[in-house]
Amino acid sequence: AAGVIQSPRHLIKEKRETATLKCYPIPRHDTVYWYQQGPGQDPQFLISFYEKMQSDKGSIPDRFSAQQFSDYHSELNMSSLELGDSALYFCASSPVAVDEQFFGPGTRLTVL
Amino acid sequence: QQQVKQSPQSLIVQKGGISIINCAYENTAFDYFPWYQQFPGKGPALLIAIRPDVSEKKEGRFTISFNKSAKQFSLHIMDSQPGDSATYFCAASRGQAGTALIFGKGTTLSVSS
Repeated sequence: AAGVIQSPRHLIKEKRETATLKCYPIPRHDTVYWYQQGPGQDPQFLISFYEKMQSDKGSIPDRFSAQQFSDYHSELNMSSLELGDSALYFCASSPVAVDEQFFGPGTRLTVL
Repeated sequence: QQQVKQSPQSLIVQKGGISIINCAYENTAFDYFPWYQQFPGKGPALLIAIRPDVSEKKEGRFTISFNKSAKQFSLHIMDSQPGDSATYFCAASRGQAGTALIFGKGTTLSVSS
């Protein structure tokens, strides 16, 4: 079965640089979610989109922005990167009007 | 303030034994409660989920028990196997598509052979 695709899988950036993470949801899933997971921590919700509109917003820094495109893929843009942004970033998707969220393999971001 | 409290933090179970992980929540607006399994460096995988109108749900060796009045729910893993060794997260949400999952802190399960 098709799963959520995230790219890149690994990313190394310097402080104050920018990064763009991409998420391709499972086919026919119209809702995408972004989560951040630090080492040994639980996933923390950042933001979600339904039908290209922001649906819910969590503890997403102002330095981060995200959007969902017409083909339902989503991008998380991160600027002025800080050491504390080093984490696993997961995208999840869900089908129309369904609560179940299916997570992708994640992007490991390392900020040096 | 931790909206979903999970215990224990770690658990060691003998092969073939029962693993039990507990969660409690405060927000009565939550009405969807999933459990996720996560292996190191991998994404969380949905195991099983329940809604408050059901007190128990079973899928294979995994069972969720739900106590609405106590605002508690638990995961039981029957006949635990070494391959079950992973981190388990309970979560809760308001049950509308597009709304956030609020996770517990996780339980690291080790099943010894």
